[in-house]
Amino acid sequence: DTAVSQTPKYLVTQMGNDKSIKCEQNLGHDTMYWYKQDSKKFLKIMFSYNNKELIINETVPNRFSPKSPDKAHLNLHINSLELGDSAVYFCASSLKDPRDRGGRNTEAFFGQGTRLTVV
Amino acid sequence: AQTVTQSQPEMSVQEAETVTLSCTYDTSESDYYLFWYKQPPSRQMILVIRQEAYKQQNATENRFSVNFQKAAKSFSLKISDSQLGDAAMYFCAYRRPLYNQGGKLIFGQGTELSVKP
Repeated sequence: DTAVSQTPKYLVTQMGNDKSIKCEQNLGHDTMYWYKQDSKKFLKIMFSYNNKELIINETVPNRFSPKSPDKAHLNLHINSLELGDSAVYFCASSLKDPRDRGGRNTEAFFGQGTRLTVV
Repeated sequence: AQTVTQSQPEMSVQEAETVTLSCTYDTSESDYYLFWYKQPPSRQMILVIRQEAYKQQNATENRFSVNFQKAAKSFSLKISDSQLGDAAMYFCAYRRPLYNQGGKLIFGQGTELSVKP
């Protein structure tokens, strides 16, 4: 009954390979995100989707391509992996409300993260 | 652009004591949210507490409370009666409403909290 689930939890791959990370949420949320946590533990937004529509793309190399087949899923595909892509990638989701007031609609729920190591 | 600053890379507290983690932010907006997230060694991001900018009252969740100073753009976290399980990295985060750029979170650099028995 995990709320936001990412697979795999760990991924070790060679430079130049293509890999995907999958994310699924069962909370009924309509906004999903990808965040990257670097080796210094700094977290930064990469992408955001709302109802399968891309709404945030934070200057991420085009080797990274998010795909949202439906509002419960947001996958991240990475082409031609580089050493610098090694990081922890977090998926998150939240619920959109037009007025966006009230506690229950404001927080983001995170997956457990995927540690990507490029060798 | 909004920024979030946590000026304490590391903090330490004795078990059962109280500790305060600092956070300042910079924004020209009036409608936003502030959060503290906890990241234990398991790597899971756990929401500790949230504060809506339009609320003057400081948020409280059990042993966790905040001191929200909107004019000073300060949002500190107080942990009372610290427990060994509180040891973690703590992140302060700023968020616009979801109708404004999708509600992305902007994080501070984090404060690593250790709890001594």
